[in-house]
Amino acid sequence: QKEVEQDPGPLSVPEGAIVSLNCTYSNSAFQYFMWYRQYSRKGPELLMYTYSSGNKEDGRFTAQVDKSSKYISLFIRDSQPSDSATYLCAMSRFYTGANSKLTFGKGITLSVRP
Amino acid sequence: DAGVTQSPTHLIKTRGQQVTLRCSPKSGHDTVSWYQQALGQGPQFIFQYYEEEERQRGNFPDRFSGHQFPNYSSELNVNALLLGDSALYLCASSFSGPQKKYFHEQYFGPGTRLTVT
Repeated sequence: QKEVEQDPGPLSVPEGAIVSLNCTYSNSAFQYFMWYRQYSRKGPELLMYTYSSGNKEDGRFTAQVDKSSKYISLFIRDSQPSDSATYLCAMSRFYTGANSKLTFGKGITLSVRP
Repeated sequence: DAGVTQSPTHLIKTRGQQVTLRCSPKSGHDTVSWYQQALGQGPQFIFQYYEEEERQRGNFPDRFSGHQFPNYSSELNVNALLLGDSALYLCASSFSGPQKKYFHEQYFGPGTRLTVT
């Protein structure tokens, strides 16, 4: 079992739809949770990060973390064609002195149709 | 403010050859991490450098080695290339600071696409 599993894609939605992207993980030591967006032939771009459980909102994007269920989500409201990209969830542990490497999900490709 | 830069953009090598990839971190960052992203997969952690030392290493063979320079830039070297090394190699930078507190905001460069034939 991989440490981080991401819902398989691809995902195609009409413009204006609400998009839900999800990841599960097995390592309870993960404390930082991130969502990256990657356009074709580009490097990943950090969208949002959260620490521990809870919600975080930034414009049209909302990140949710449920550590008890080992489940994280990214919601995109009023989706736009410019949101068409691959979305990667990533996680890391934090303890003094070591280990800030990121463990990524496989990524899901989102297409928003005009 | 220049972000993370990587060179070259693309590279084609033959099996058995050696390759060196370069990365300059975002201004103010002192930590560089390298990731390998195979087609259709998420990035896989290779190693991380801070204060010119390898601080962490992922599950990659010794053919993968690296270096960090005093100006925080970094190189990734891969020896004895295999077909399976074909991938997008990503460099990410972050700020750890003098207290060695690890921040987890890693900013990625555009990557170097390596093709091994």
